[in-house]
Amino acid sequence: DVKVTQSSRYLVKRTGEKVFLECVQDMDHENMFWYRQDPGLGLRLIYFSYDVKMKEKGDIPEGYSVSREKKERFSLILESASTNQTSMYLCAGGTAGFGELFFGEGSRLTVL
Amino acid sequence: AQSVAQPEDQVNVAEGNPLTVKCTYSVSGNPYLFWYVQYPNRGLQFLLKYITGDNLVKGSYGFEAEFNKSQTSFHLKKPSYLVSDSALYFCAVCYRDDKIIFGKGTRLHILP
Repeated sequence: DVKVTQSSRYLVKRTGEKVFLECVQDMDHENMFWYRQDPGLGLRLIYFSYDVKMKEKGDIPEGYSVSREKKERFSLILESASTNQTSMYLCAGGTAGFGELFFGEGSRLTVL
Repeated sequence: AQSVAQPEDQVNVAEGNPLTVKCTYSVSGNPYLFWYVQYPNRGLQFLLKYITGDNLVKGSYGFEAEFNKSQTSFHLKKPSYLVSDSALYFCAVCYRDDKIIFGKGTRLHILP
């Protein structure tokens, strides 16, 4: 079975802290995505990556950065966490144009 | 602007009854269409997709969806729901080289 694993299910951080959200996929697909999910807003794309060391901004990249040093790993970084970044973060892998996305279980981040 | 609309935020239906969950889209070209389901505190799971061919597609757990090009719709349906189908359902559209957008989701409550 294809698997996308997010390292932390629940995190609590303080305003101004640097936060790393890790995502690992066991597929051989190039594409990986980070989404943010908020009630009433659905899923919004933060960043995505088509290949190692490549990244592209999604719809809401402000306040976030990403790292893709290896094909299987795609990290989301909050340089200085703020309370409005409290949310559920979902990582996905796959090639949406040819098939489905495979999602991780999500990381629920609370910033105090 | 490209968009996906799910007009109902929440729908209730009695167990054993049928229901259609609505999705309409506004994108250029010939999109690929998807439905995903999200159970509480979990990531999204793929249900079904339409790429080309027969307008009626069948997916996991007895779900099916009908593509209607003239109405730009891709409604999800099931002839008989179970209480365990209570979840959040997302429609998604991929319209250009992995540009994928999600609707805001429809929460289904299946009443025993």
